[in-house]
Amino acid sequence: GEDVEQSLFLSVREGDSSVINCTYTDSSSTYLYWYKQEPGAGLQLLTYIFSNMDMKQDQRLTVLLNKKDKHLSLRIADTQTGDSAIYFCAVYSGAGSYQLTFGKGTKLSVIP
Amino acid sequence: GAGVSQSPSNKVTEKGKDVELRCDPISGHTALYWYRQSLGQGLEFLIYFQGNSAPDKSGLPSDRFSAERTGGSVSTLTIQRTQQEDSAVYLCASSFGQGYPGVYEQYFGPGTRLTVT
Repeated sequence: GEDVEQSLFLSVREGDSSVINCTYTDSSSTYLYWYKQEPGAGLQLLTYIFSNMDMKQDQRLTVLLNKKDKHLSLRIADTQTGDSAIYFCAVYSGAGSYQLTFGKGTKLSVIP
Repeated sequence: GAGVSQSPSNKVTEKGKDVELRCDPISGHTALYWYRQSLGQGLEFLIYFQGNSAPDKSGLPSDRFSAERTGGSVSTLTIQRTQQEDSAVYLCASSFGQGYPGVYEQYFGPGTRLTVT
């Protein structure tokens, strides 16, 4: 089955850019997602990219997809303390139930 | 409008007891998902409902786990004879329809934190 890997921790200074990386194994993955989870809250969809795209930009967020290497990244420009959270990479691979396969999450800590 | 709600928010139970976790999806959402988030692990898919039927139960870890959905709305996840390894956050998500998550976004509830002592 699909496997999604992420580094567990990232620490950046306020105002710097953050880059969170994710790798996946199933080359037939069609939609790839980034979710944010703040303490005590449910997951919030940040953005997603379709597999026929290389890049998607949405305000401070930039998603890059390298299909050849099965690598997905999320760049947060001008990182703020409010961006401190756990970020999950998730992949949809065409399972009939439309379930998502998630990575373990990257905990982003922003240092003031 | 209201989002996905789950109750209880926290549940502590003794090993061997049964527990019921409730999910109230967004009104009008026909698809409902249960996931489990264990410490240090990603989200693990458990079960999916389309209306009241569950076409995909492949993620349920054992026969101690069951779920039902009534009236195309509220869903209950039941864990019988709980074990310590069942301790996790159980997340529910709903979506407007059945289809690519890029089209039918899954909206997540805040989760129920289950602790089995």
